[in-house]
Amino acid sequence: AQSVTQLDSQVPVFEEAPVELRCNYSSSVSVYLFWYVQYPNQGLQLLLKYLSGSTLVKGINGFEAEFNKSQTSFNLRKPSVHISDTAEYFCAVSGGSYGGSQGNLIFGKGTKLSVKP
Amino acid sequence: NAGVTQTPKFQVLKTGQSMTLQCAQDMNHEYMSWYRQDPGMGLRLIHYSVGAGITDQGEVPNGYNVSRSTTEDFPLRLLSAAPSQTSVYFCASSYARPTGGGNQPQHFGDGTRLSIL
Repeated sequence: AQSVTQLDSQVPVFEEAPVELRCNYSSSVSVYLFWYVQYPNQGLQLLLKYLSGSTLVKGINGFEAEFNKSQTSFNLRKPSVHISDTAEYFCAVSGGSYGGSQGNLIFGKGTKLSVKP
Repeated sequence: NAGVTQTPKFQVLKTGQSMTLQCAQDMNHEYMSWYRQDPGMGLRLIHYSVGAGITDQGEVPNGYNVSRSTTEDFPLRLLSAAPSQTSVYFCASSYARPTGGGNQPQHFGDGTRLSIL
């Protein structure tokens, strides 16, 4: 069975500082990995995805993530955050045998990023 | 394009009442799904559909029914509302089921905030 663990429930950081949000997954088969962002009172928006190929993936709003198969991690990074990055971030995995490989996503519990001035 | 549209945005029900949460997409996506979001729990899959006439259960299906009579619409029905179903509900859709399964990013609606008294 697949699972996703986001190691930090809350991450406070000062504006213009770098940030890394951690995500570990467990799966015995190949998976696809995603990061979504949720701004207050809104739905989820795709930040970036890893399907195959280069392990460094670049997304929108200056975010990037690195897929590390040996450590089963997919950590999200940004070199310099802005106040507007304050949101909740979700790591998700799909593929493999869950739900019959129908495209179902398994989400982590989320990390709330709070950017302070 | 409107994307994924959910109605209503807010709803308050009494225990035992029934209601239908509507979800419509105009992107001709075959795959549609319903998630519920609870604090500290991330998003959990309720039901999903890989095409018109085909539905299946997700992680937390009890107390909910779905049907998929058209490609565009995927309503979620609460049969007899319970306080434990107080949550934010998200509908999502993605392109036709790929052979590998799960590598299509999902588009989310803005959610329905449901309170059951």
